[in-house]
Amino acid sequence: NAGVTQTPKFQVLKTGQSMTLQCAQDMNHEYMSWYRQDPGMGLRLIHYSVGAGITDQGEVPNGYNVSRSTTEDFPLRLLSAAPSQTSVYFCASRPGTGGSYEQYFGPGTRLTVT
Amino acid sequence: AQSVAQPEDQVNVAEGNPLTVKCTYSVSGNPYLFWYVQYPNRGLQFLLKYITGDNLVKGSYGFEAEFNKSQTSFHLKKPSALVSDSALYFCAVRAHNYGQNFVFGPGTRLSVLP
Repeated sequence: NAGVTQTPKFQVLKTGQSMTLQCAQDMNHEYMSWYRQDPGMGLRLIHYSVGAGITDQGEVPNGYNVSRSTTEDFPLRLLSAAPSQTSVYFCASRPGTGGSYEQYFGPGTRLTVT
Repeated sequence: AQSVAQPEDQVNVAEGNPLTVKCTYSVSGNPYLFWYVQYPNRGLQFLLKYITGDNLVKGSYGFEAEFNKSQTSFHLKKPSALVSDSALYFCAVRAHNYGQNFVFGPGTRLSVLP
């Protein structure tokens, strides 16, 4: 199993540009989440999904969109990039209800917005 | 709302000495608590969890954690530190909202000195 994969590893955007961060998992997990990691702030939840076709907002959703058309994929879209979105982004997945609650994280995407 | 505090930004310990990384939490009801480790330029890896049962939980790589309900703490411990344990450690609690996702602490950087 590849686990949770993310692309790209690094990205530089100009203010106002849009892009999509890709996330895929091959463990048939129901739950998937996107976090951003900023120094001294831990990980903050952006959006999450409890199954294909179901998404919801997390703690810091503004400026981001998600969709979940398949169990495997959970892309994160930045609509109009801003310097405040400079961060490291992590995708995570875990089994659904009745599972172990252990989350599996991807390797991250380091995004810089200039 | 739920929250997690890690009162130390940095913990330094000599190789072979015991280590403790502190975590306190705030959540209503019975807490589900987790520790994750992040090595440089990597995603987070699960170390251990407390959901119910024995207050002393054993996890990966020789780590253990002690749940103390009266002090609302979940400190991470290891009897004998290794240089390879140097990493960023995150404590997390399961949230009651956000699809029962997780709230993370700000992280503690552990440096084990040879």
